[in-house]
Amino acid sequence: SQKIEQNSEALNIQEGKTATLTCNYTNYSPAYLQWYRQDPGRGPVFLLLIRENEKEKRKERLKVTFDTTLKQSLFHITASQPADSATYLCALLYNFNKFYFGSGTKLNVKP
Amino acid sequence: EPEVTQTPSHQVTQMGQEVILRCVPISNHLYFYWYRQILGQKVEFLVSFYNNEISEKSEIFDDQFSVERPDGSNFTLKIRSTKLEDSAMYFCASSGTLSTDTQYFGPGTRLTVL
Repeated sequence: SQKIEQNSEALNIQEGKTATLTCNYTNYSPAYLQWYRQDPGRGPVFLLLIRENEKEKRKERLKVTFDTTLKQSLFHITASQPADSATYLCALLYNFNKFYFGSGTKLNVKP
Repeated sequence: EPEVTQTPSHQVTQMGQEVILRCVPISNHLYFYWYRQILGQKVEFLVSFYNNEISEKSEIFDDQFSVERPDGSNFTLKIRSTKLEDSAMYFCASSGTLSTDTQYFGPGTRLTVL
């Protein structure tokens, strides 16, 4: 079965620095990969989508890369702020509309 | 801004009882999903629904579960004969005209099975 790995340890960084989160997957590559933000007790909120034929996508302070050879996506938040503190999830789309989520990485941005 | 709503926010039930979790997706969306998240664990895909039928389901979605779109606005998840391990947060999501469109998640229903 498909495995999606995100660093289970929390990432602690200083405000203003760039946060980099990793999503690795096994087996076959998804058609699409998405990144979500989840705050405690809330539903995930969509951030970015990247297709298998795209290398990089940007949105404001966010950047996602997708390397199908390494089977890895990197998610970057530049100029991080305390308000960016949350759990970040990657989700992979297979088949028509079946999504697999990673377990998420908790980001703590300290002022 | 349109949003997905879910009711109830918290449901407590006895083991073996049936529960129905309700969702109102965003009105012009065509794709509907149910996910669950056991406390402290990852979001798990249960089922996707398109054109009034299930399009994908996971291994978790066995005969105990069913989904329905009884009218033009509601999307329900029924769990028959609940088990203790069904205790989780259940999220409904919807997306627009393509399955790759942004998924909008509801606030979730916390199900507690005693």
